[in-house]
Parts: sequence; structure tokens; C-alpha cells
Amino acid sequence: AQTVTQSQPEMSVQEAETVTLSCTYDTSESDYYLFWYKQPPSRQMILVIRQEAYKQQNATENRFSVNFQKAAKSFSLKISDSQLGDAAMYFCAYRSRFRTALIFGKGTTLSVSS
Amino acid sequence: NAGVTQTPKFRVLKTGQSMTLLCAQDMNHEYMYWYRQDPGMGLRLIHYSVGEGTTAKGEVPDGYNVSRLKKQNFLLGLESAAPSQTSVYFCASSKEGRYFEQFFGPGTRLTVL
Repeated sequence: AQTVTQSQPEMSVQEAETVTLSCTYDTSESDYYLFWYKQPPSRQMILVIRQEAYKQQNATENRFSVNFQKAAKSFSLKISDSQLGDAAMYFCAYRSRFRTALIFGKGTTLSVSS
Repeated sequence: NAGVTQTPKFRVLKTGQSMTLLCAQDMNHEYMYWYRQDPGMGLRLIHYSVGEGTTAKGEVPDGYNVSRLKKQNFLLGLESAAPSQTSVYFCASSKEGRYFEQFFGPGTRLTVL
């Protein structure tokens, strides 16, 4: 069974600085999708970025980028120029090409200080 | 578009009571899902549906039932609530296909006393 591990329960960063959130996953499949979701205090789950496993190029969305290391089964999220509004819980998620379910990690709570 | 809506937003039940959570989406999505979120556990899939009239079990289906009588609605039922079902419940929907993102509702906080 696939598993997703986020080893950092909490992280903190100062405004305008860069922070990296870690995610590793375990799978025997070669074709899958990876996602980062953001959950602010409002509880609303918001997609931040997605990566297709067969694409070698790392995905980027404005200040958010990923470092996808397929061989190492690692999928870290880098937030550049951190803003107060980035404070939230971040979830890494895995989705097999052959299955419908998203498998989530336990989340990393990010705090941003001014 | 309202996206994904959930009713109710909060609910308190006594052990043994029953209730139904309603999820509605106006994006014409084929797939719909119910998750529960517990502290330190992330989100776990309860049940899902890949189309009207179909449902399937997820990771933690025990104690829950679901129905998808209309494409836009996905109901989650608790027949006899237990304190272990105290959680935040999220509904989500997506287009058909593994690539497409899941859009989440605002969640329902359920407390079972």
C-alpha cells in the first residue's frame, strides 16, 4: 500500500524568507500524481501545486515550486518570499494512476512571522 | 458557481443518534468523495463515487453509508453515531481522470457525545 510521510509536524519562517516542506512517499508504481494542498485556519482545502510523475520538470506556481526526486520518492515544496497569508497546514498527497483515492500525509503546520 | 457545499457546517450528536451529511456540487463533476480529518492523521477517505448510482469503500468505511442518487449530490450517513466518529468531514469532487484536482467543500465539524 502506498504511504505518504511528512516528517515535519511544524515549521516556521519569517516574512520574505524561503522555506521548504518535506514529503516522501512509498510506492511500487511508476505512474502517479503528487499534490500539495494548503489548509488555512478557515479549513478550506486549496490546491497549491501538482506534479505528474512522468514529467521530469519540476512544477512551479508563482512563489511555490517543488523538488521532485522520483528515484528518492521525495516531493518537497518550496515557498519563496513567504507571506503572512502562507500560514496554514500543508498536506502532501499521492494519487495512483490506477486508483481514485488521494492518500494524504499527516500535514505540516507552517507559521509565518513578521 | 458555488463549487462544493456541505450541510450542515456544525453538528452535535449523542451516541446512538443518526444523521446525514449532504454534499452538493455544481461543477458537473463525475467523481465525489467523503473524507474525515482527525488531529495528527491527515485526511482519510471514507467512501467515494465515480458516477451517479455508484459508490465504493475507501480507507475507513466502517460505521458510514453513502448514496449518490443524483450526480450533483453525495450523502454520507451515520446510522448509530459513536464518539470515535467525532471529526471534521470533508466532501470533494473532481472531473473523471486521475490528473484532475479534487475540489473540497468547507467541511462539517461533527461532535458525538
